[in-house]
Amino acid sequence: DAGVIQSPRHEVTEMGQEVTLRCKPISGHNSLFWYRQTMMRGLELLIYFNNNVPIDDSGMPEDRFSAKMPNASFSTLKIQPSEPRDSAVYFCASSLLTGVQPQHFGDGTRLSIL
Amino acid sequence: GESVGLHLPTLSVQEGDNSIINCAYSNSASDYFIWYKQESGKGPQFIIDIRSNMDKRQGQRVTVLLNKTVKHLSLQIAATQPGDSAVYFCAENANTGNQFYFGTGTSLTVIP
Repeated sequence: DAGVIQSPRHEVTEMGQEVTLRCKPISGHNSLFWYRQTMMRGLELLIYFNNNVPIDDSGMPEDRFSAKMPNASFSTLKIQPSEPRDSAVYFCASSLLTGVQPQHFGDGTRLSIL
Repeated sequence: GESVGLHLPTLSVQEGDNSIINCAYSNSASDYFIWYKQESGKGPQFIIDIRSNMDKRQGQRVTVLLNKTVKHLSLQIAATQPGDSAVYFCAENANTGNQFYFGTGTSLTVIP
């Protein structure tokens, strides 16, 4: 079975540039989560969606960050403009919404902002 | 300047020995817990879960113990193998939707 698919796996770009991270959740999963992982702060929840609707975006650090889920099989996390402190590994996870279910993670996008 | 990062607890064990990884959770209302394993360059991978109406749950070579009185969770790995080397996270859910809160993780190193 295909797991959560993230792209790109690695991204290196200069500060000020727009960055778009992509996620395809597991088919049939109707909750999707974006996390950021750094040595300084560990694993932080940025935003999550239920049935394509954003439920809690309180973890989004600034207005430079935005996330969309136009359909059940695709989500994007965008940073514009990017800054060096945004460098981190960004994970997408998905789960079923029925009851409380484990989240299944992709392998992440390692983002480096120069 | 000096950078300050998370202090990640570490555990080193000999191959074949049993490992115990501990986690103290914060919310007494949490009623569902998961252990994740994260290998280098990969995302966290589900290992085992337990709900608050249980004290113990066993999987293949892994056992999770839950002590709600002291808000403590542990993961026991039997006959630890080099492939078990990874960072292990506990995650808790306080029945406030499907949002989980993750611990800082424990780094396990298995010595061949």
